[in-house]
Amino acid sequence: DTEVTQTPKHLVMGMTNKKSLKCEQHMGHRAMYWYKQKAKKPPELMFVYSYEKLSINESVPSRFSPECPNSSLLNLHLHALQPEDSALYLCASSRTVWNREEETQYFGPGTRLLVL
Amino acid sequence: AQTVTQSQPEMSVQEAETVTLSCTYDTSESDYYLFWYKQPPSRQMILVIRQEAYKQQNATENRFSVNFQKAAKSFSLKISDSQLGDAAMYFCASAFGNEKLTFGTGTRLTIIP
Repeated sequence: DTEVTQTPKHLVMGMTNKKSLKCEQHMGHRAMYWYKQKAKKPPELMFVYSYEKLSINESVPSRFSPECPNSSLLNLHLHALQPEDSALYLCASSRTVWNREEETQYFGPGTRLLVL
Repeated sequence: AQTVTQSQPEMSVQEAETVTLSCTYDTSESDYYLFWYKQPPSRQMILVIRQEAYKQQNATENRFSVNFQKAAKSFSLKISDSQLGDAAMYFCASAFGNEKLTFGTGTRLTIIP
């Protein structure tokens, strides 16, 4: 089973709203990732969690706040977003962070976010 | 800098025919992995195939196979017996010795019935 689930599938929010994206995996993976993807572009890495600790923040604005409550769950809290933040947000997981045998990232279906 | 380049923004192929998508990369690392991901209009990024740089044998996965030329830093994807369900954006990506995936810009593949 290589399933990563994400909720919600779609989200529309105003610039003053607070919302959260959720990502879950039950593959025993210890690394989880958030990506942002604009139309017709490759995904851009935002955050990496390794063993529930934030290991990479790609200079993401503070209006995006990640959280990893446990090894299976990854949240992305959104607050005071801008219209240019509208995009597809993808979650991924891998068994570990850079291990010679287990580095493959598996992606969820994404959340389509529209900021008005 | 480590880069992945896909020079074909769009490709099309007749159903049941074979198509090859190109990918080149640049790295000074000796230990790395190469991937092809498929993203249909439904948007889920699906792993198609992966190749370990230390393995000389080209990876195959059913109708999908790669031509890995390490010296030339080339990693092309061949899709045999193309099917309508193969229509998607295809991203070449690499993990160059760390946790970050470096993606190419993608190739949009259209299947002509």
